[in-house]
Amino acid sequence: KNEVEQSPQNLTAQEGEFITINCSYSVGISALHWLQQHPGGGIVSLFMLSSGKKKHGRLIATINIQEKHSSLHITASHPRDSAVYICAVVRSNYQLIWGAGTKLIIKP
Amino acid sequence: DAGITQSPRHKVTETGTPVTLRCHQTENHRYMYWYRQDPGHGLRLIHYSYGVKDTDKGEVSDGYSVSRSKTEDFLLTLESATSSQTSVYFCAISESWLQGRQPQHFGDGTRLSIL
Repeated sequence: KNEVEQSPQNLTAQEGEFITINCSYSVGISALHWLQQHPGGGIVSLFMLSSGKKKHGRLIATINIQEKHSSLHITASHPRDSAVYICAVVRSNYQLIWGAGTKLIIKP
Repeated sequence: DAGITQSPRHKVTETGTPVTLRCHQTENHRYMYWYRQDPGHGLRLIHYSYGVKDTDKGEVSDGYSVSRSKTEDFLLTLESATSSQTSVYFCAISESWLQGRQPQHFGDGTRLSIL
């Protein structure tokens, strides 16, 4: 079983919908990253969080350390949000463990 | 955007041939990483460097070697490429060893096909 599991693997939604992507992990962590990979391949860091919630524009990331779960939300989704969203957790030795990603397609 | 350039961006080669991928950074970051990305898998660390001539293995280092003779350049070499090494390769950099506690900055990737 993978130490980091993302769900769903694929998600297709209509423009304007509220999107939720989930990340569950089975190891102790000190922090968690969310990243975005565009269709062209470039990977960009969105958030790093160790507790609570962070917000940047239409993106919101939450984490519940006790439940070993994090969510990435997108409000008022837009076709330009179409990308692969990747979760990565930080172990106590600072090692990163990567999720396999969630492919999001937003249709106009 | 962080100044990271990977070359080549695409390469097709035959089994058994040597292949070298280059990562060049203009950020003067000490730490550099090579990952591979395959369908159904998260990014997997191949090798990393924590300074000039200082490198170490990641989780999937077999069949790969690296070199770092200058701060700005980190080379990944497949001595004798195999079809299982067909993948997309990403270079990343970070300012400190707190790899997980700081965002990494990624190159645009190299798509490598071994026939």
